[in-house]
Amino acid sequence: GAVVSQHPSWVICKSGTSVKIECRSLDFQATTMFWYRQFPKQSLMLMATSNEGSKATYEQGVEKDKFLINHASLTLSTLTVTSAHPEDSSFYICSARDRPGVYEQYFGPGTRLTVT
Amino acid sequence: DAKTTQPNSMESNEEEPVHLPCNHSTISGTDYIHWYRQLPSQGPEYVIHGLTSNVNNRMASLAIAEDRKSSTLILHRATLRDAAVYYCILHGSSNTGKLIFGQGTTLQVKP
Repeated sequence: GAVVSQHPSWVICKSGTSVKIECRSLDFQATTMFWYRQFPKQSLMLMATSNEGSKATYEQGVEKDKFLINHASLTLSTLTVTSAHPEDSSFYICSARDRPGVYEQYFGPGTRLTVT
Repeated sequence: DAKTTQPNSMESNEEEPVHLPCNHSTISGTDYIHWYRQLPSQGPEYVIHGLTSNVNNRMASLAIAEDRKSSTLILHRATLRDAAVYYCILHGSSNTGKLIFGQGTTLQVKP
């Protein structure tokens, strides 16, 4: 099956700094990617839909100025957590479909962000 | 998308079949039933999906009730590697790709 990678797999940063997380589709092109956040012992929460060549669509309650999403190519979407605070510490996961309209999605392995 | 209800947790013995239930009484006629699972500290993994008919693949089987208000994911022989959180998700025909995850069922497999 198709493979989605994320980089880094884990990151520790200081409060007030920004962190960029990359999501890549390794063997397919993805016009749309999705970003999720997962707190410990909780389910995944959809944050935004990343569209290649256009602005991301954010879910209600997600601050678009804090979570910057860029989908500059068909194989790369980035999520930048700006001015990170300890409450942003979470597991961030991206996903993509290898073809528009198919139901199966491929998820990345996730990035563990810890803000100190 | 309609809501799903799953038991919080289930236990199984290794090499025995496991039946994971999901209730979706408000499902619409165009909603597909999807199952994903998430192993510890990993991203979710697609398992199976269906609309009306039962479905089989190499990982599992999906049994869908005739009225579509419930479904059951069947793992034919549980292994220790099947210990995960299993999510039942409804996704409509608009197929935006957005998946809304509920709490899922945590499956424990005992040796």
